[in-house]
Formats: sequence, C-alpha cells, structure tokens
Amino acid sequence: AQTVTQSQPEMSVQEAETVTLSCTYDTSESDYYLFWYKQPPSRQMILVIRQEAYKQQNATENRFSVNFQKAAKSFSLKISDSQLGDAAMYFCAYRSDYGGSQGNLIFGKGTKLSVKP
Amino acid sequence: DTGVSQDPRHKITKRGQNVTFRCDPISEHNRLYWYRQTLGQGPEFLTYFQNEAQLEKSRLLSDRFSAERPKGSFSTLEIQRTEQGDSAMYLCASSLAVLTSSYPSVIPEAFFGQGTRLTVV
Repeated sequence: AQTVTQSQPEMSVQEAETVTLSCTYDTSESDYYLFWYKQPPSRQMILVIRQEAYKQQNATENRFSVNFQKAAKSFSLKISDSQLGDAAMYFCAYRSDYGGSQGNLIFGKGTKLSVKP
Repeated sequence: DTGVSQDPRHKITKRGQNVTFRCDPISEHNRLYWYRQTLGQGPEFLTYFQNEAQLEKSRLLSDRFSAERPKGSFSTLEIQRTEQGDSAMYLCASSLAVLTSSYPSVIPEAFFGQGTRLTVV
C-alpha cells in the first residue's frame, strides 16, 4: 500500500521569505501523480501544484515549485516570496496512474504553515 | 458557481441519531469521492462512484455508513446511529474519468467541496 509522510507538523515563515515543506512517499508503482493541496481555515481544499512521476522536470506554478526526487521518493514544496494569504494547512497527496486505478488520493497528515508579517 | 458544493456545512447531532449529507459535484464530472478528515489528520478515502455505480468502499466505511448517487449526479452519505467517533469533516471531491477502450483514465485533478463538519454530542 502507498503511504505519504509529512514530517513537519508546523512551519513558520516571514512574509516575503522562502519556505520549503517536506514530503516523502512510499510506493512500488512506477506511474503516479503527486500533488500539493492547500486548505485554508474553514475553506475548501484547493490544488496548488501537481507532478507527473514520468516527468523529470520539476513543476512550477508562479511562486510555488517542487523538488521531485523519484529515486528518493521525495516531493518537497517551495513557496517563494511568501504572502499572508499562503497561511494554511498544506497536504501532500499521491495518486496512482495505472490503468483502471480508482483515482482516489492518499494524503499525508499535513503541515500547518504560518506567515509572519 | 460551478464548483463542488456540500450541504450542510455544519451538523451537530446527538449520539444515536441518523444524519445525511449531500454533495453536488461539478456537472460534467462522472467520478465522485467521499473522504473523512479528523482533527490533525489528512483526508482518508471512504468510497467513490463512477456515475451511479459505487465501485469501492474503504474498510473505514462501517455498516452504519451508506452512500448513494442515484442518477449519477449528486450523492448522499448517510450515517446511522451516529457515534462520537464519527465526528469529523466529511469531504466530497469530483473528477472526470475518460473511458478508453481498455479502462477508465482519470484526469489528474480532483476538485473538493468545502466539506460538512459533523459533531456528535
């Protein structure tokens, strides 16, 4: 079975600084997706960034980028120029991509990010 | 608003009562997922539908839980004889599976609703 581990329950960053959230996963599959989701307090979960396992190039979305190390099964999220609105729970998630897969997500326990003004 | 919507947002119930939650997915999405999220944890998969067919149930889904998606559109999740351990956020997500000649291929992104927070007292 696949597992996702986020070892940082809480992180803090100064506004305009850069922060990196860690995620490791375990799988025996070769085809999968990895995601970072953001869950602000009392608001819905939204997708921040996704990475296809077959792509060597790290995904980037504006201020958000990932460091995907497939051999090490590591998938960290870097937030540059942190903003107050980035404060939220961040979840790392895994999804199989083999044919006929259920498509459900497997989540880590999350990292609570605080942004200090 | 064409996103995923869930109703109610909050529900407080007494132990032993039955509760029902509703999820309206994005209209063109044929996959619908239910997750449960307890305090300090990430969401955990409960069950999912392809159109109106319920294709998988996690072992977390006890016999007191039942989910339906009668016309392949909205879905309901019912919990009978609620227990305090059922207190959690119940999340719904939808996605699109494209049927190929061999198997369904699910688009990467899943879109979540705001959840229903259940408190059993």
